Amino acid sequence: NAGVTQTPKFQVLKTGQSMTLQCAQDMNHEYMSWYRQDPGMGLRLIHYSVGAGITDQGEVPNGYNVSRSTTEDFPLRLLSAAPSQTSVYFCASSYQSGSTGELFFGEGSRLTVL
Amino acid sequence: GEDVEQSLFLSVREGDSSVINCTYTDSSSTYLYWYKQEPGAGLQLLTYIFSNMDMKQDQRLTVLLNKKDKHLSLRIADTQTGDSAIYFCASTGAGNMLTFGGGTRLMVKP
Repeated sequence: NAGVTQTPKFQVLKTGQSMTLQCAQDMNHEYMSWYRQDPGMGLRLIHYSVGAGITDQGEVPNGYNVSRSTTEDFPLRLLSAAPSQTSVYFCASSYQSGSTGELFFGEGSRLTVL
Repeated sequence: GEDVEQSLFLSVREGDSSVINCTYTDSSSTYLYWYKQEPGAGLQLLTYIFSNMDMKQDQRLTVLLNKKDKHLSLRIADTQTGDSAIYFCASTGAGNMLTFGGGTRLMVKP
């Protein structure tokens, strides 16, 4: 039982490049989400999904796309990277959203955009 | 939207108690959480409290909730060097979405 697995752990991009951060969970969780963590700003929700085929925007969705074709996978796409997207990205999942649904986090993906 | 505020930094000596404070704005928050983040890792749930409770104790951890003042605190008794980490307060707001505070970095000196 690996929990939440994110790849890559580190990535450097040039402005304008595109890339996909991968996230997979093996806990059969319905709810998955992507956060970005910036110093002193806590975690901000980018996109989330309450089940396969359903996605929705969080607090800071601009510049990012997601899809949820399976329960296990929730990739985050940066279409045209910008320096403002330099951050640490966390994928998280839970059995259910909010309430007492404990969020399980991946180890993070550190992205630098030059 | 919901706002969750924490102080940025706390330094204590090993063996002392640590108290990390948090304020939130959404009075309809149903659950409030404390997460811990160790260096280079994701967040892990430490404990949570339901909004109709005012205190919860779990071994060295005590959570106090003042719903009137929208104030949440986490007390760690007999703080150890292994408790050094960033602690995040989080609140469920509209749509049961979690809003996180900015995190408090706890440094424990030997």
